[in-house]
Order: sequence, then C-alpha cells, then structure tokens
Amino acid sequence: DAKTTQPPSMDCAEGRAANLPCNHSTISGNEYVYWYRQIHSQGPQYIIHGLKNNETNEMASLIITEDRKSSTLILPHATLRDTAVYYCIVRPHNQAGTALIFGKGTTLSVSS
Amino acid sequence: DAGITQSPRYKITETGRQVTLMCHQTWSHSYMFWYRQDLGHGLRLIYYSAAADITDKGEVPDGYVVSRSKTENFPLTLESATRSQTSVYFCASSESRQTANYGYTFGSGTRLTVV
Repeated sequence: DAKTTQPPSMDCAEGRAANLPCNHSTISGNEYVYWYRQIHSQGPQYIIHGLKNNETNEMASLIITEDRKSSTLILPHATLRDTAVYYCIVRPHNQAGTALIFGKGTTLSVSS
Repeated sequence: DAGITQSPRYKITETGRQVTLMCHQTWSHSYMFWYRQDLGHGLRLIYYSAAADITDKGEVPDGYVVSRSKTENFPLTLESATRSQTSVYFCASSESRQTANYGYTFGSGTRLTVV
C-alpha cells in the first residue's frame, strides 16, 4: 500500500498557485518525498523530490514540514496544461531499484 | 533520439495469443520497470530489472514474462493473453549513480486490448 495520503481532487484557477498537500506520517529517516504527475494518456513525469529542506526547480516548489510528516507541492502559476493527476511518493533515496509505489494521487483541474 | 520508447503504441490481440511489448532506452540506465495502469487500480508494478540478466517480480507478475539480455531493452511478454490483461502498460528506467536523483523516466505507454 502507498504510504501517503492525498485528497482525491482539487480545483485551481489559471494563473493562481496550486498547493497540493500530502500526508506521510510514517515516513522513515532515509526516505525522500517524490512528486510525479501524469497528464491524460501520458506516462508519469518526475517533478521534484526532497528530504527535509524546501526544494525548488523550474517546475515547482516542495515544502516539507519540520517533522517531515507532510509536504506541499506548489505550482506557482498554474496553467491549463498543469491539469493532471499528481502523485506523492516516499522512497529511500539511496535505493535506485526500489520501485515507486503509486497511490491514487490528486486530480488537479485547472480552469480558465 | 535519446529517450525511452515503447512499441507498439496500440495493440489488439486475441485471448490465448502470445504478445510482446517492447521497451528500449538509450541512456544505459541500470534499472528498468514495467507497470500496468487500470481504472480504479492506478499504476501497479509488474516486473523490474536491476541490470542485464537480473529481473524480479513486482506486485502483479502472474501471466507475464520478462527478459533483459541487453541493458537497453526490457521486453514484456504475455504468454497467453487474457481479457484481464487489457490495460495500458508503461515502461520506465532509472539511473543508479549516487549523483542521480533516482527519478524515473517513463515511456509513452502501450495500450493493449485483449478480445
């Protein structure tokens, strides 16, 4: 079973920030938080990952709480093309072969 | 072109037939994975491979066979297709170097229909 809990769906207006929450209360010390998204009919796409510090890249920002029991993925200016299913996954970072276990994710709908 | 490619994109086959889905990656990634995606079940791991000639079962391996004779290829074979294997199949690869982010790169998927 996935070790994360996400809301099944969220809505966001185009141009606004989309904040997608994830609970991972049983996360272990060596586990990172990964975010992927899947646009309809395409393969999942890596977005960002982090351990305990906040991370930012060209796609998104990742905010991890100090106790590491939850995190938030932030899309600063959502566009219609960000409509997708977003998956939050925890996995040991130093085990490249550890398979990603996908839960049901959050379906983000961005509307104009 | 560099990347991970799956073929065919679409396949219709009859019950009982053998069918092979192909996956090819050009990065020399050590790890490769096969997932299937069905409505109501999300993505489920079928098989994975840590290197050439090393494969292991995932969550739903029954009815499937894999091989990895070359690092760049990871074919998935349905020995005797059943209607329950109608699904979208995704292949993925991952680096193993310490400097890598260990993120997966997925192919575009193969939509398989068994009639």
